[in-house]
Amino acid sequence: DTGVSQNPRHKITKRGQNVTFRCDPISEHNRLYWYRQTLGQGPEFLTYFQNEAQLEKSRLLSDRFSAERPKGSFSTLEIQRTEQGDSAMYLCASSSRVGVRRTEAFFGQGTRLTVV
Amino acid sequence: EDQVTQSPEALRLQEGESSSLNCSYTVSGLRGLFWYRQDPGKGPEFLFTLYSAGEEKEKERLKATLTKKESFLHITAPKPEDSATYLCAVQTERGIQGGSEKLVFGKGTKLTVNP
Repeated sequence: DTGVSQNPRHKITKRGQNVTFRCDPISEHNRLYWYRQTLGQGPEFLTYFQNEAQLEKSRLLSDRFSAERPKGSFSTLEIQRTEQGDSAMYLCASSSRVGVRRTEAFFGQGTRLTVV
Repeated sequence: EDQVTQSPEALRLQEGESSSLNCSYTVSGLRGLFWYRQDPGKGPEFLFTLYSAGEEKEKERLKATLTKKESFLHITAPKPEDSATYLCAVQTERGIQGGSEKLVFGKGTKLTVNP
């Protein structure tokens, strides 16, 4: 399967614990995105990487959230001191750029986080 | 602030009953409008990208159209397997800073097609 891969698929954690999610993008894609989706809502943008550089961050990304893409390949999203409001589906997507327009973003299956 | 509004929130159709989903948007400048399909518990699946008013794209029973203020996703003779949530998203300009890479999504339209 050459699509976007996310691990784990599900994570249950206690409030106050730290969690880390991993995303492996489509191999030839240099752009990687993180989104968060809660029930009944569309995905909300969190952050964007071009290669290893984090170029755009949402105000939603509080200081408890940190994302990295150390070698421009896979990415990790860490949430420190989790709160119940962090419970959501965390989605990763990747794309590449063709000319002045980028290609469509392909999404992974997401990581479902439940904070108890 | 960039906004995307989808209507209706939910739509029930009988198999074969054609209909349209609406996505209206208010943005500072549109770089692209995207339609995705999302099944429960799964990530969004890409359907179409539209870049300029008047553009149309088709795929099987789906056809997407774009005007300066809204986009429609037309579903012709739907089947039960078309049941899903359909998401609309826009990518916007940021003026002299150039385009933003983020997609701004609507809340989606949940489509149910009964056999």
